[in-house]
Amino acid sequence: QVQLVQSGAEVKKPGAAVKVSCKASGYPFIHYDINWVRQATGQGLEWMGWMNPNTGDTGYPQKFQGRVTMTRDTSINTAYLELRGLTSEDTAVYYCARCLSGTSFLEYWGQGALVTVSS
Amino acid sequence: QSVLTQPPAVSAAPGQKITISCSGSTSNIGKNYVSWYQQLPGTAPKLLIYDTNKRPSGIPDRFSGSNSGTSATLGITGLQTGDEADYYCGTWDNSLSAGVFGGGTKLTVL
Repeated sequence: QVQLVQSGAEVKKPGAAVKVSCKASGYPFIHYDINWVRQATGQGLEWMGWMNPNTGDTGYPQKFQGRVTMTRDTSINTAYLELRGLTSEDTAVYYCARCLSGTSFLEYWGQGALVTVSS
Repeated sequence: QSVLTQPPAVSAAPGQKITISCSGSTSNIGKNYVSWYQQLPGTAPKLLIYDTNKRPSGIPDRFSGSNSGTSATLGITGLQTGDEADYYCGTWDNSLSAGVFGGGTKLTVL
């Protein structure tokens, strides 16, 4: 069965960077895009961008450009989200989610990884 | 401020029917398919509806989706206490070149 398993919770200081991983199994990793979505406590969903694991192509909304990088290691079917210049406003649960290339619906989600930014 | 607008909350009794609206614009809902997600407390979102009105395998037909112009609607019939959750609409926005979500609607089954 399709599974996306994310790395564990992280605590970071303001100004630092965090790298969250998302290991895929149960399907051909390179055939589906990986998206990242975050959710602050008690808040709604915020889309952070997409990555094509086959080509490495990425797309980020303007809000995150220059601060976010999405990468992958196809040898271990794992996608990564790196977010730099952390502030308290980046405290959130970060989800990876799979979608078919060319579509925008997120059919499988990881369990989420809590990132806390605190001095 | 979310790009897509949803009511913050809806409520109804078990067995009843509800609808949740999602209002957008010509750059998003007006041109792209809408998806809906259910988020139970403390869990990751789950895909309920995609391509505006299609249900993934395993989603009961109590859940339905529709679209009219720049708005979309999620319908749930035969409400159950297990349906209590937050519901989000999502789509692509051509002007922003980004995925966008509604602010979410909290469903309470009284």
